[in-house]
Amino acid sequence: DAGITQSPRHKVTETGTPVTLRCHQTENHRYMYWYRQDPGHGLRLIHYSYGVKDTDKGEVSDGYSVSRSKTEDFLLTLESATSSQTSVYFCAISEYEQTYEQYFGPGTRLTVT
Amino acid sequence: DAKTTQPTSMDCAEGRAANLPCNHSTISGNEYVYWYRQIHSQGPQYIIHGLKNNETNEMASLIITEDRKSSTLILPHATLRDTAVYYCIVRSGSEKLVFGKGTKLTVNP
Repeated sequence: DAGITQSPRHKVTETGTPVTLRCHQTENHRYMYWYRQDPGHGLRLIHYSYGVKDTDKGEVSDGYSVSRSKTEDFLLTLESATSSQTSVYFCAISEYEQTYEQYFGPGTRLTVT
Repeated sequence: DAKTTQPTSMDCAEGRAANLPCNHSTISGNEYVYWYRQIHSQGPQYIIHGLKNNETNEMASLIITEDRKSSTLILPHATLRDTAVYYCIVRSGSEKLVFGKGTKLTVNP
């Protein structure tokens, strides 16, 4: 398995509080991605990074920000969590943008009450 | 707009071949067909990809029709651990992966 960890694995938080999810990789891959998965929607791309300090928006980026200060870490921040952000969040990595394989982490289950 | 169409669910007997179809009638010449799967509560896992030739690896075989408008993922000897949601994705090299709803495959003992 690719060396990808996510923390925390589970989190319950209240509406309006800030939340940061961490993705850590040991593969030295350039590209990192954050997805969310909700029933009936499949996986949707939130943000992605193509290098240290280089990030871009995905299809559902509103309400989320990201940062990547080191190759191995990609942080997803919910500045003020809302109930609509209750979801399972997956991080993924790939060596090249055009690569056929993305490796996914184990996921973080976030509940916003 | 979805680029692929897959059945919502399928069943297969353990030890038999599982054949998962995917329709991608609007595929363009530079787009590849990818298959991923997601076992319950885990992150998606890459299975195989192809452009126009049939492909085989240790996990599965991918059969793409000559007109490239459809494909079939074949798991030759399905096991209970192959129970998962299987995603067929069409993508060119410059596009991001877009996951649809996939096919829920249930392998029965």
